[in-house]
Amino acid sequence: EVQLVQSGGGLIQPGGSLRLSCAASGFTVSSNYMNWVRQAPGKGLEWVSVIDRGGSTYYADSVKGRFTISRDKSKNTVYLQMNSLRAEDTAVYYCARDSPLDYWGQGTLVTVSS
Amino acid sequence: SYVLTQPPSVSVAPGQTARITCGGNNIGSKSVHWYQQKPGQAPVLVVYDDSGRPSGIPERISGSNSGNTATLTISRVEAGDEADYYCQVWHSGSDHPVVFGGGTKLTVL
Repeated sequence: EVQLVQSGGGLIQPGGSLRLSCAASGFTVSSNYMNWVRQAPGKGLEWVSVIDRGGSTYYADSVKGRFTISRDKSKNTVYLQMNSLRAEDTAVYYCARDSPLDYWGQGTLVTVSS
Repeated sequence: SYVLTQPPSVSVAPGQTARITCGGNNIGSKSVHWYQQKPGQAPVLVVYDDSGRPSGIPERISGSNSGNTATLTISRVEAGDEADYYCQVWHSGSDHPVVFGGGTKLTVL
């Protein structure tokens, strides 16, 4: 059974850093595209980043240069390292597999506030 | 970058048919996917590749795509269909390959 279990998140001050994790089971993350998608309170879905099978990475303009997506094959886990966090990064963050995004994690709330 | 446009809201009475549109430049040449999201839950894929239905999605939910508009159709609408719906495409060759529409709130009257 395919599952994505997220961890990390929480309350962080502006300018701080946080790492989100997305542990996969039932498939191999390096054989799939893996995405991060976020949703600010009361807003729609916003694509954040994707890592493809070859390890190439892509980012939304709003996070480029501040966020880094990566994966650990030994742990079958995808990460989102978030640096220089801003209030506007406050959102529920989801990891999701492929396109179509057929499996989603449960989501984790990141709140950037002093 | 590629833009997908959805109406903010659609309202329909129970038993009627709801149609949610997703507009984009020559979207008919792309594969369109649709997601349903209920409050406090992660999105769920309900239509893939324009008209495919994942396992467990009722036949009442269908999709089509042509020209500059893709459409999600929900027949015999039920109270449980009330949710936000998002269209999405993969924009090949772009540095921003995953594109979502702004979402449509479906209200069952």
